[in-house]
Amino acid sequence: SSELTQDPAVSVALGQTVRITCQGDSLRRYYASWYQQKPGQAPILVIYGKNNRPSGIPDRFSGSSSGNTASLTITGAQAEDEADYYCNSRDTIDNHLVFGGGTKLTVL
Amino acid sequence: EVQLVESGGGLVQPGRSLRLSCAASGFTFADYATHWVRQAPGKGLEWVSGITWNSGNIGYADSVKGRFTISRDNAKNSLYLQMNSLRVDDTAVYYCAKDIGYISSPTFDHWGQGTLVTVSS
Repeated sequence: SSELTQDPAVSVALGQTVRITCQGDSLRRYYASWYQQKPGQAPILVIYGKNNRPSGIPDRFSGSSSGNTASLTITGAQAEDEADYYCNSRDTIDNHLVFGGGTKLTVL
Repeated sequence: EVQLVESGGGLVQPGRSLRLSCAASGFTFADYATHWVRQAPGKGLEWVSGITWNSGNIGYADSVKGRFTISRDNAKNSLYLQMNSLRVDDTAVYYCAKDIGYISSPTFDHWGQGTLVTVSS
């Protein structure tokens, strides 16, 4: 089975733009979905498919993909965006899904 | 309003079994694939298992294959996870998650609040 690799931690100044990346062989074939998780809470979906936002997700969240890398971009990061972010995608080999290890975003 | 409510977690000894349930409401449960995702204390998310709308296609993570069984009862709007031969490293919060479609995809648009499973002697 394949893996998805994320940077463990990323920081951004308030109001600035940050990109969180997710790398893996399966991303050459499949889109990633992105989830935000705050302490003590269940994850919520923020981006899926090519660049789709569920209802209620601010438009400062966007997604993109190139080669084996999927990216989640937050344009104008807010204090409330401080959270863990996870990507997931299909596995290339089996009927499996796989999550990245997660990125802890700190808003300074 | 979509709601997913997990139950059945608790403290169990290694080698024993436990059955988790997820009660769904606020949407047509029979039309969507559903999944179990777990999160060990202080760790990341791990996909455990998924089942399509009609139970026709089921997948398991390698870490649970042969020990866990996912099932659903569309008449009862419920998802289940039978966990056998539990190990200490199965300790986690187990989330039920609704897929965005009827076949299994990596897009989970609603999650429950989770149920804690602790495997310890």
